[in-house]
Amino acid sequence: DAGVTQSPTHLIKTRGQHVTLRCSPISGHKSVSWYQQVLGQGPQFIFQYYEKEERGRGNFPDRFSARQFPNYSSELNVNALLLGDSALYLCASSLATQENTIYFGEGSWLTVV
Amino acid sequence: AQSVTQLDSQVPVFEEAPVELRCNYSSSVSVYLFWYVQYPNQGLQLLLKYLSGSTLVKSINGFEAEFNKSQTSFHLRKPSVHISDTAEYFCAVKETSGSRLTFGEGTQLTVNP
Repeated sequence: DAGVTQSPTHLIKTRGQHVTLRCSPISGHKSVSWYQQVLGQGPQFIFQYYEKEERGRGNFPDRFSARQFPNYSSELNVNALLLGDSALYLCASSLATQENTIYFGEGSWLTVV
Repeated sequence: AQSVTQLDSQVPVFEEAPVELRCNYSSSVSVYLFWYVQYPNQGLQLLLKYLSGSTLVKSINGFEAEFNKSQTSFHLRKPSVHISDTAEYFCAVKETSGSRLTFGEGTQLTVNP
């Protein structure tokens, strides 16, 4: 079975642009979470979605938004990109919201120039 | 809110030597504890977790961690490391009733021949 898949794997954007990152969870998993990992730091929680509803939000500005589709895949959108948004964006999936076995994808490397 | 402190940002060791990666946490509520490993240019992989029961938990590749409630620690140990263990290791906590992981800053383990 496929694990958590994310796309694109790498991308470069210019300040002020918008970016959309995509995630497909493991088959059967209904919960998707997004994390931001800045170089040299641990991942920071951005959002969790379960059954297409937002179930948690971290301390990120409103420029960050996400949604979950009926097939449980998810998109993370970031508007008005800043240099500081350069990071590895990780998607994680689990069966449900409070599951303790959480699987991560390989991530999407975003560079803002 | 929870916080995680990984006391060493870098740990260099020689092959076949023992290693300990230290992790302390702070939380006002009950938490579960995790260790994740991140190989270069990859996502996070769950190494082991403590949910309840025996305070000593083990992974399939020889790592073990011990939950110490009084010292709020969850140190990771391996009696004999291999070159292939070179990676970044992250300690994380999650509220028992919650869904988001809170990570430490990571410890880079480098195993030298």
